Amino acid sequence: SQTIHQWPATLVQPVGSPLSLECTVEGTSNPNLYWYRQAAGRGLQLLFYSVGIGQISSEVPQNLSASRPQDRQFILSSKKLLLSDSGFYLCAWSVSIGGGVYSNQPQHFGDGTRLSIL
Amino acid sequence: GQNIDQPTEMTATEGAIVQINCTYQTSGFNGLFWYQQHAGEAPTFLSYNVLDGLEEKGRFSSFLSRSKGYSYLLLKELQMKDSASYLCAVRGKDSWGKFQFGAGTQVVVTP
Repeated sequence: SQTIHQWPATLVQPVGSPLSLECTVEGTSNPNLYWYRQAAGRGLQLLFYSVGIGQISSEVPQNLSASRPQDRQFILSSKKLLLSDSGFYLCAWSVSIGGGVYSNQPQHFGDGTRLSIL
Repeated sequence: GQNIDQPTEMTATEGAIVQINCTYQTSGFNGLFWYQQHAGEAPTFLSYNVLDGLEEKGRFSSFLSRSKGYSYLLLKELQMKDSASYLCAVRGKDSWGKFQFGAGTQVVVTP
């Protein structure tokens, strides 16, 4: 079966410090991968998605970046964190979709990282 | 893009039924998904609709009308553990499986 691991679970960082959050998926190949941020009491905002190694699409302008160095590894980074970067960060995967096949596949989420910026 | 609306909060009694509505406007549609999210946890997948009609999964059912841009999630025989936020998500046709999520409906189940 497929599993998704995300770490760390919680992180407290000072303003201006760097960030690296990691997400790995097991039990599947060539998944679509996603990074979301959820502010307190709000919905999920898509930050980045990737359909393959080295392929990253950004949804919103920000001081965050993402990378996919391996098929099942997705990393969210920042060189200098801002106070507004606080939130709950979620990684998700879905079966790769092409030509409308597997369109019924949901996204499956990792346990999330709660990031607090001081 | 998509615009998704759902109520902010609903309260219901244990054992009762609650219906959570979701309306959407989208330039392309390739499925509507419902997720449950308990406080401090990740969302978990509940149900999926791509064709009009009702999908039933135990105590949970989801309905879709594509012509009206409308869906609902029906929770029957409410239990205290059903207290959570319920997220409506729409997948567009021109996307690589991307979802647009609603802000979520907080359901509070009282004894």
